Amino acid sequence: AQKITQTQPGMFVQEKEAVTLDCTYDTSDQSYGLFWYKQPSSGEMIFLIYQGSYDEQNATEGRYSLNFQKARKSANLVISASQLGDSAMYFCAMRENAGGTSYGKLTFGQGTILTVHP
Amino acid sequence: DGGITQSPKYLFRKEGQNVTLSCEQNLNHDAMYWYRQDPGQGLRLIYYSQIVNDFQKGDIAEGYSVSREKKESFPLTVTSAQKNPTAFYLCASSPFSSSSGNTIYFGEGSWLTVV
Repeated sequence: AQKITQTQPGMFVQEKEAVTLDCTYDTSDQSYGLFWYKQPSSGEMIFLIYQGSYDEQNATEGRYSLNFQKARKSANLVISASQLGDSAMYFCAMRENAGGTSYGKLTFGQGTILTVHP
Repeated sequence: DGGITQSPKYLFRKEGQNVTLSCEQNLNHDAMYWYRQDPGQGLRLIYYSQIVNDFQKGDIAEGYSVSREKKESFPLTVTSAQKNPTAFYLCASSPFSSSSGNTIYFGEGSWLTVV
């Protein structure tokens, strides 16, 4: 079974508009972390935002915010005021906290290609 | 500058040959990882290491080998036993602690093509 599911292979958004990228996850752990990364065509993975399972407030980092709905096991990324430079592949990832320690073993979704139109 | 350096950026290999991808970090991170990415796909974990002289298999370790003789270095060897080695390989590192929030940082990746 997929642990991280990104159901949108591709998304289009007009410049300056907001866009939501979907991510659902599956885990039986109580303690876990959710991450979003951006991968431009150059291939590097750029960390965007993190949400811990015990965090009561949704994480925000500049134009990025994470809509965390724990009961639904969803962690959607919201990008406000889209820019042309936001065009890239976006990955949702999860780190499960195995036995009280965290080894950085991220499980990734399949990714969503975002295209920003002028 | 602090970061993770992968080399080479592009590598061509003939079938039947082993090849080693280099990964060096100067972030003083304890943990290091190797991921594989196929076109249009997510990342899959090959191997990871939490401390020097110790490493564990990830989800797709068959046909790969690693070593961790120094904290800052975690080379990956793609052996001839790997049936479909053409892919993009990403090295990463993170501090090792009990916090699930420790960010994992990636290198710029290495493209391996088997010809």
